[in-house]
Amino acid sequence: DTGVSQDPRHKITKRGQNVTFRCDPISEHNRLYWYRQTLGQGPEFLTYFQNEAQLEKSRLLSDRFSAERPKGSFSTLEIQRTEQGDSAMYLCASSLDSGTQPQHFGDGTRLSIL
Amino acid sequence: RKEVEQDPGPFNVPEGATVAFNCTYSNSASQSFFWYRQDCRKEPKLLMSVYSSGNEDGRFTAQLNRASQYISLLIRDSKLSDSATYLCVVNQPSGSARQLTFGSGTQLTVLP
Repeated sequence: DTGVSQDPRHKITKRGQNVTFRCDPISEHNRLYWYRQTLGQGPEFLTYFQNEAQLEKSRLLSDRFSAERPKGSFSTLEIQRTEQGDSAMYLCASSLDSGTQPQHFGDGTRLSIL
Repeated sequence: RKEVEQDPGPFNVPEGATVAFNCTYSNSASQSFFWYRQDCRKEPKLLMSVYSSGNEDGRFTAQLNRASQYISLLIRDSKLSDSATYLCVVNQPSGSARQLTFGSGTQLTVLP
């Protein structure tokens, strides 16, 4: 399967714990995006990378959130000191190097904070 | 005002019906438009891009009205498998780092 893959699919953790998610984009895509989606809403942009450079972070991305893409391939999204409001689906997408290109999404990581 | 607005539905239609979804966007400088489909608890999947002249893909027709900042999706001869949430997606203008803004989605259920 050469699509976008995310790991884990589900994560259940206690409030206050740190969690890290991984995303492997489609290999020839140099743009990688993270979104968050809650029930009844469309995905909300969090951050995006062009190659290894993180070019923008949304206001939704508090100081507890950090994303990396060290070699311009896979990316990680870490949430520190999780809060119940962090419960959501975290989606990763990738695209070719153009704002007009459609983005292809991974299956997402569903985070549940107890 | 939301950047991308859609009627949330739900739309419940019988098999074989024609159904249309509308979407409005606030930024007149937006350049690219898409419809994505999302099944329950699954990731969004690209359904089709929307071109200025309108475009068709089988039973699906997308149209764009830049003057009214309005996008539509028409589904003809709807199938049970068309049941999903349809997301209207608009990109940000060139020069803005943020790429896509999603509507909240319109839920469609096709009934036997």
